[in-house]
Amino acid sequence: AAGVIQSPRHLIKEKRETATLKCYPIPRHDTVYWYQQGPGQDPQFLISFYEKMQSDKGSIPDRFSAQQFSDYHSELNMSSLELGDSALYFCASSPDRGSTDTQYFGPGTRLTVL
Amino acid sequence: SQQGEEDPQALSIQEGENATMNCSYKTSINNLQWYRQNSGRGLVHLILIRSNEREKHSGRLRVTLDTSKKSSSLLITASRAADTASYFCATDGGSGYALNFGKGTSLLVTP
Repeated sequence: AAGVIQSPRHLIKEKRETATLKCYPIPRHDTVYWYQQGPGQDPQFLISFYEKMQSDKGSIPDRFSAQQFSDYHSELNMSSLELGDSALYFCASSPDRGSTDTQYFGPGTRLTVL
Repeated sequence: SQQGEEDPQALSIQEGENATMNCSYKTSINNLQWYRQNSGRGLVHLILIRSNEREKHSGRLRVTLDTSKKSSSLLITASRAADTASYFCATDGGSGYALNFGKGTSLLVTP
C-alpha cells in the first residue's frame, strides 16, 4: 500500500539559510499534519491542513510557513534557520479531518543545521 | 508537551517476557493511539482506541483505556528482539485533530 512520502530524507543547512521540506500524503487523504521531533524528544505538532486550508496551528515558529497544494501535497518552508531547528520533521496524513482517524506518518526528514 | 508522562521511561526485558507501558494524559479525548519508533526512524501506527472503548487487542498487543483516570496501558506479550523501539502514546486532545504525544518509553528486548 502507498505510504506518506517525504523529501528529502536528509538535509544539511547552514545557520540563517532556508529549507523546504515536501510531503506527499497517501492517495485520497486530504489532511496533512507536520510534526517536529528534537533529539530525544517526543514529536511536537507544528501545523495542519485540510482541503488545502490551514486547519490547526501548534508550536510553529514565525520563521516557518507551510501550505497544501491542489494535489494535496504540502511543503514546509523554513527560513533563517537556527541550530535549534535541527530535528526530525514528520509529515502525517489522514483520510478525513472530521473522523479523528489514524494519522499515518512518513519516514521523516532529518534536518541538520550547522 | 500537553501530554502527561509515560511510564516507565525505559524498560529492559528478555525475549518471551511481557512488556507493559503506561501513559497518562491531561485533557479529554476522542481517541488515544500508540505508535512505535525505531531509533531515528518514522512513527509506525500500532493501535487506536476510542474514548468509549476500554480494551482493544491486535495480535500480541493489548491496549486498555481508563478515561476516569486519564490513563492507558500498552501490553506487548511474548516480546521479541524486533520489538526493541520507543513507544509513544498520542491523544487528539478532544477538540482538535493534531496529536499530543507522550514522552515515550524506550523498550529493549534482549535475546
